[in-house]
Amino acid sequence: AQKVTQAQTEISVVEKEDVTLDCVYETRDTTYYLFWYKQPPSGELVFLIRRNSFDEQNEISGRYSWNFQKSTSSFNFTITASQVVDSAVYFCALSETGYNKLIFGAGTRLAVHP
Amino acid sequence: DGGITQSPKYLFRKEGQNVTLSCEQNLNHDAMYWYRQDPGQGLRLIYYSQIVNDFQKGDIAEGYSVSREKKESFPLTVTSAQKNPTAFYLCASSIPGLNTEAFFGQGTRLTVV
Repeated sequence: AQKVTQAQTEISVVEKEDVTLDCVYETRDTTYYLFWYKQPPSGELVFLIRRNSFDEQNEISGRYSWNFQKSTSSFNFTITASQVVDSAVYFCALSETGYNKLIFGAGTRLAVHP
Repeated sequence: DGGITQSPKYLFRKEGQNVTLSCEQNLNHDAMYWYRQDPGQGLRLIYYSQIVNDFQKGDIAEGYSVSREKKESFPLTVTSAQKNPTAFYLCASSIPGLNTEAFFGQGTRLTVV
């Protein structure tokens, strides 16, 4: 069965701190896709990144970086030099190839304080 | 601007009443989805549709119904059979079959009073 676990329910940091959000997944498929979404207070989910199971390269986009490790079934997300605008709920999600149905983790609420 | 529009943003329903949530997209996506979000939980899939006039149940379809008569529209009806309907409902769309990212609306918060 597919499952996504985000063990950190809430994280609180002070601005400019680095913070890592953990994501551990379970799947029997050899081909799958992993996603991160941000949910600001306005409610809609904003897409951040998609990674397929054959691409284990880490990715950096500005202050955001992602560490994908198949050996530990993890897809962690790091925000460097956090800002107040980063405050949101962040979701990790998994989908099987050919299907766009997303299996979401419970989310991690990040609060960045000035 | 292309996007997904959900209405209304807030909805109140009396127990025993059916209520319909609207979802419209102008992204020309074939696939559309309804998710439910409860506090402290991730999103759970209610129904999804890969093409017009076709839809499938998700993980928590009981007490809900949908229709897909037009590509742009995927309304969700919360029926009186749904025992705990108070939640935040999110609609999404995507290009089917390619595992591309889904685009989400701003959600409808339904409260049963």
